[in-house]
Amino acid sequence: QVQVVESGGGLVKPGGSLRLSCEASGFNFNDYYMSWIRQAPGKGLEWVSFSSGGGGRDISYAESVRGRFTISRDNAHNSLFLQMNTLRADDTALYYCARLRRGPWHFDLWGRGTLVTVSS
Amino acid sequence: QSTVTQPPSASGTPGQRVTISCSGSSSNIGMYTVNWYQHLPGTTPKLLIYNDNQRPSGVPDRFSGSKSGTSASLAISGLQSEDEADYYCATWHHTLNGPVFGGGTKLTVL
Repeated sequence: QVQVVESGGGLVKPGGSLRLSCEASGFNFNDYYMSWIRQAPGKGLEWVSFSSGGGGRDISYAESVRGRFTISRDNAHNSLFLQMNTLRADDTALYYCARLRRGPWHFDLWGRGTLVTVSS
Repeated sequence: QSTVTQPPSASGTPGQRVTISCSGSSSNIGMYTVNWYQHLPGTTPKLLIYNDNQRPSGVPDRFSGSKSGTSASLAISGLQSEDEADYYCATWHHTLNGPVFGGGTKLTVL
């Protein structure tokens, strides 16, 4: 079954850290760009970061998280990660993992999300 | 604040045709293709349209996309109650080197 499943969300205090995981199955993970997208409560979708397949050398971040979040992947274990540091209240959101197709670009496979709450 | 603008809401009656607009700039829609996603609360976002006007397999032909210049539109014909959802356009942004979503449009079927 072709799917991605996120995990690792939870409650963390402002300034704290959290590491999200996304496990892929049913497709050749190494061949695909992967991305994180989030949705804050009552807000719209916001792209967070993407990583290319293979060695993951093509990486990009949204301005709102650059310098605080780090995306990485373990192709041997079909997994994508998001290390989130210096968390702020406005990082509170449901974080989705999604497969990113290029040429033409689009997100064609989404997970159900993992909830991150930043609160004291 | 999103650089790609959608109306916050839209509505229609069953059977009607509705359109949702998506306005950008020469740095995003004017240079790159547009996608549309349907999102029902509590569910996974679903790709409706990619490459401006292409439907993935399984998406009914009631859904269609178009683009002209720096604007795009999603049209839904034969509106059904199950179409009530949030709809997001998305495109690439040249200077951000990443995708940008519109703010979303909440569609109500009256």
